[in-house]
Amino acid sequence: DAMVIQNPRYQVTQFGKPVTLSCSQTLNHNVMYWYQQKSSQAPKLLFHYYDKDFNNEADTPDNFQSRRPNTSFCFLDIRSPGLGDAAMYLCATSSRTGSGYTFGSGTRLTVV
Amino acid sequence: QKEVEQNSGPLSVPEGAIASLNCTYSDRGSQSFFWYRQYSGKSPELIMSIYSNGDKEDGRFTAQLNKASQYVSLLIRDSQPSDSATYLCAPTRGDSSYKLIFGSGTRLLVRP
Repeated sequence: DAMVIQNPRYQVTQFGKPVTLSCSQTLNHNVMYWYQQKSSQAPKLLFHYYDKDFNNEADTPDNFQSRRPNTSFCFLDIRSPGLGDAAMYLCATSSRTGSGYTFGSGTRLTVV
Repeated sequence: QKEVEQNSGPLSVPEGAIASLNCTYSDRGSQSFFWYRQYSGKSPELIMSIYSNGDKEDGRFTAQLNKASQYVSLLIRDSQPSDSATYLCAPTRGDSSYKLIFGSGTRLLVRP
């Protein structure tokens, strides 16, 4: 089945230690997104790739970076995680035609 | 004013009843509208999409859209305990055919 896969499902990292979350898709969608979701809050868009074009949201901290080496894979790098970065990180994909997102299962990040 | 407004709930209904979830949005340019279901600790799952004014039915779910009033709703008939989840309303952004704005969701509790 075509899907969006996120690894790892749970990630524990130390305060200030760089961490990378990964996402892959078999849907061949043009657009890939990274969202941060904290408890009882709306998912917050960090950035997205439209094909190879990177689009950063204005309020995304510099501490967050992303890479999309090919159509199938996208990575979220957190350079120096703080306690406030503990959250669920959601990867999603969509086509350019506005048919909604397909989400991966998410990565729950804990910062200790 | 939030871009997407939803009552946070919880909305509590007895099993077998109709659950009515409401959403208002501020961007008059929004063209497509989606409802996602999110179980606690899980990622959002697309359950309904609607693109034009009126009603759209899919099984026990009916989405209703009124663009003039900037209002979209989701009705769940014959509610089941397994429907207990948070429901996120997500219209597309007016400046994009594919990027979504998420509400913070309404928590639905179906009592057996």
